[in-house]
Amino acid sequence: DQQVKQNSPSLSVQEGRISILNCDYTNSMFDYFLWYKKYPAEGPTFLISISSIKDKNEDGRFTVFLNKSAKHLSLHIVPSQPGDSAVYFCAASARGGGADGLTFGKGTHLIIQP
Amino acid sequence: ETGVTQTPRHLVMGMTNKKSLKCEQHLGHNAMYWYKQSAKKPLELMFVYSLEERVENNSVPSRFSPECPNSSHLFLHLHTLQPEDSALYLCASSQDQASGDNEQFFGPGTRLTVL
Repeated sequence: DQQVKQNSPSLSVQEGRISILNCDYTNSMFDYFLWYKKYPAEGPTFLISISSIKDKNEDGRFTVFLNKSAKHLSLHIVPSQPGDSAVYFCAASARGGGADGLTFGKGTHLIIQP
Repeated sequence: ETGVTQTPRHLVMGMTNKKSLKCEQHLGHNAMYWYKQSAKKPLELMFVYSLEERVENNSVPSRFSPECPNSSHLFLHLHTLQPEDSALYLCASSQDQASGDNEQFFGPGTRLTVL
């Protein structure tokens, strides 16, 4: 039973437009959420995170929104650039801090069209 | 070297072989992790070490044996593996703070093929 779900295996967006990647979770104990980006033949790279006490976190072109009542988070990338083409993973943790393994979604392959 | 490194990057082994995967982090972190990524599946947590002590074992078969000799190094010893164990094995580390952000930093992974 998947606790973190990314229902879109792929997403195609035109360069310069906004990319919106979605993630749903089922475990109400999750209190820390992260987005990772992965290129082929490389490990995942941390992008941005949000704790459950916030509903928005922004870092440059990347913004993560958290809707706890809906158990939903999203990653917005604006404007989208060709280098953003990669697989994006949503991840969640059930502890507020400290060593804790992450639960990952299956990923969404974002393709930025020139 | 910076960040998290893993060796070897690729490994092919028979079911009767014994091999080890190595991970080293140069970030001064206190926690280290092993994950497995199989085809068409999300990353799955295998083991968690905090300050060289194993704090989580996610129902992993005993043919996978982790070792953490110090906070910078993590090994995964493999023996009598099965073909379905073929996957990308990723190591990660984090600061292991009691509060605050604890993002994990990943190595490039070892692509393992079991024949």
